[in-house]
Amino acid sequence: NAGVTQTPKFRILKIGQSMTLQCTQDMNHNYMYWYRQDPGMGLKLIYYSVGAGITDKGEVPNGYNVSRSTTEDFPLRLELAAPSQTSVYFCASRKSGDSYNEQFFGPGTRLTVL
Amino acid sequence: GENVEQHPSTLSVQEGDSAVIKCTYSDSASNYFPWYKQELGKRPQLIIDIRSNVGEKKDQRIAVTLNKTAKHFSLHITETQPEDSAVYFCAAIAGGATNKLIFGTGTLLAVQP
Repeated sequence: NAGVTQTPKFRILKIGQSMTLQCTQDMNHNYMYWYRQDPGMGLKLIYYSVGAGITDKGEVPNGYNVSRSTTEDFPLRLELAAPSQTSVYFCASRKSGDSYNEQFFGPGTRLTVL
Repeated sequence: GENVEQHPSTLSVQEGDSAVIKCTYSDSASNYFPWYKQELGKRPQLIIDIRSNVGEKKDQRIAVTLNKTAKHFSLHITETQPEDSAVYFCAAIAGGATNKLIFGTGTLLAVQP
């Protein structure tokens, strides 16, 4: 299994541009999550999904959108990029069921907005 | 909602010494407490976890303790080695449909050779 994969690894955007961060997992996990990690800080939850067709907001959803049309994919959309969105973005997934299931992270996407 | 506080933010120890990182949580319904290690430029990876029905768990040089009454849990690393240098995150999860992990702000551990 490849686990959780993310593309691109790096991206530089200009203010006002838009882009989609891709996330795919091949572990048949129902739960998927998007986090952002600012320099020297912890992980903040942006959006999450408990299954195909179901998404919900996390702690810091403003400026982002998500969709979940399949179990495998959970793309994160940035509209009108702003410098405050400069961060490292991690996608994660876990099995549904009890809360003890391990959460696996992707390798991250480093985004800079200039 | 759940809030997780983590201390200290940085920790420097000599190789061979022990390191302790402490976290407190706010939601008494939380029942699962994982610890993640993140090396520079890498993704977070689970190193140990503890469930609310257990007070302590060990895995070689790493141990985690949980005090449900006081709502705090700690990571203990013994005989530290330079490869233990990383950022460590605690997290807490409440049961339910969302299974959202709430993370602490991280501890940068530096092990000096």
